[in-house]
Amino acid sequence: GAGVSQTPSNKVTEKGKYVELRCDPISGHTALYWYRQSLGQGPEFLIYFQGTGAADDSGLPNDRFFAVRPEGSVSTLKIQRTERGDSAVYLCASSPAGTGRTHEQYFGPGTRLTVT
Amino acid sequence: TQLLEQSPQFLSIQEGENLTVYCNSSSVFSSLQWYRQEPGEGPVLLVTVVTGGEVKKLKRLTFQFGDARKDSSLHITAAQPGDTGLYLCAGRAGGTSYGKLTFGQGTILTVHP
Repeated sequence: GAGVSQTPSNKVTEKGKYVELRCDPISGHTALYWYRQSLGQGPEFLIYFQGTGAADDSGLPNDRFFAVRPEGSVSTLKIQRTERGDSAVYLCASSPAGTGRTHEQYFGPGTRLTVT
Repeated sequence: TQLLEQSPQFLSIQEGENLTVYCNSSSVFSSLQWYRQEPGEGPVLLVTVVTGGEVKKLKRLTFQFGDARKDSSLHITAAQPGDTGLYLCAGRAGGTSYGKLTFGQGTILTVHP
């Protein structure tokens, strides 16, 4: 079966530009998560969706970052006025539900964003 | 803010040696997970521990959750080159933050043949 897919796999953009990163979760998974991983670091939580709504967006660093999941499946992470410090691998994960403390999150391969 | 301190950050050993990776926090977690990540891929779950004092074994890997659910360890016996990778611990808080994982900074393990 298909796992979590993310597009594009690599994105190079200029400082100040707008970018969109897409995540296709595993079919039927109701919970979707976005993380950001800088080189040599562990993933850092950004936002978590349960269905169509953002259940926890406490990890979004500022108002340049926004994410949507309009139909409860595909999600898009949007970054406005990109800065060089936004360069990182953006990981998406999904799970069958977000309520169980043992629920596994299945991660996609990530989108490597480079802001020049 | 919950933090997980993972140590060591780098580990380079010879095939056949044993090793332990530590994950420590001042906060209590409802569960703790260990992931392994290969270059260019997302993390893959190895194990979840939920009960204080719990010990789980996965072949040559032994995972332990501290009695107070604030710390965990991963022990690998007779390491093999195929064990090379980035190992991450991740804690899940309770309450309204149950959805997100807080990750440690990772341990890069290299096992030389």
